[in-house]
Amino acid sequence: GEKVEQHESTLSVREGDSAVINCTYTDTASSYFPWYKQEAGKSLHFVIDIRSNVDRKQSQRLIVLLDKKAKRFSLHITATQPEDSAIYFCAASINSNNRIFFGDGTQLVVKP
Amino acid sequence: AQTIHQWPVAEIKAVGSPLSLGCTIKGKSSPNLYWYWQATGGTLQQLFYSITVGQVESVVQLNLSASRPKDDQFILSTEKLLLSHSGFYLCAGGQYNNQAPLFGEGTRLSVL
Repeated sequence: GEKVEQHESTLSVREGDSAVINCTYTDTASSYFPWYKQEAGKSLHFVIDIRSNVDRKQSQRLIVLLDKKAKRFSLHITATQPEDSAIYFCAASINSNNRIFFGDGTQLVVKP
Repeated sequence: AQTIHQWPVAEIKAVGSPLSLGCTIKGKSSPNLYWYWQATGGTLQQLFYSITVGQVESVVQLNLSASRPKDDQFILSTEKLLLSHSGFYLCAGGQYNNQAPLFGEGTRLSVL
């Protein structure tokens, strides 16, 4: 089955710098890639997604890149702020089944 | 707008006691529903998913069971809790395979 790997378990950046979280997947049939944010003690909150028919998507300070050949996708957070500190999960979904597969999460710490 | 409600918010239970956690989704018909478990600060483990009433697929056996008695309701239960059942239980729902599931606020379970 699909396996999603999230390469950074922790990431620390200075406020105002950019943060990049990288994920890879194994199943070429994966076609939908959402990202979630989990603040301390809370549930997961959807932040941005990308579908396999595009290779870049931006929503304000969030940019998602998708490289289908390398089976890699990444979340870029520009001009980081302390409130960006959280655990970020990447995920991959295959159209033909009803499963969505999550990475293990990246703890992002934005230092003032 | 789609909403998802989990109950209870938190539980403290004794080892060997029964458990029932609930999830109700509103605003979508025939949603896919998912149960996840997260150890403290840990990764997400998908437990069950359901694409229709009465049908539940098990992903991981943790001495838990799930049922979908109504289109908008998903129940997680066990007759005998183990210490290892402690953690954060999350219900998620979505209508299509390529749409990010919406997560409920979660139930925090402590088994003593």
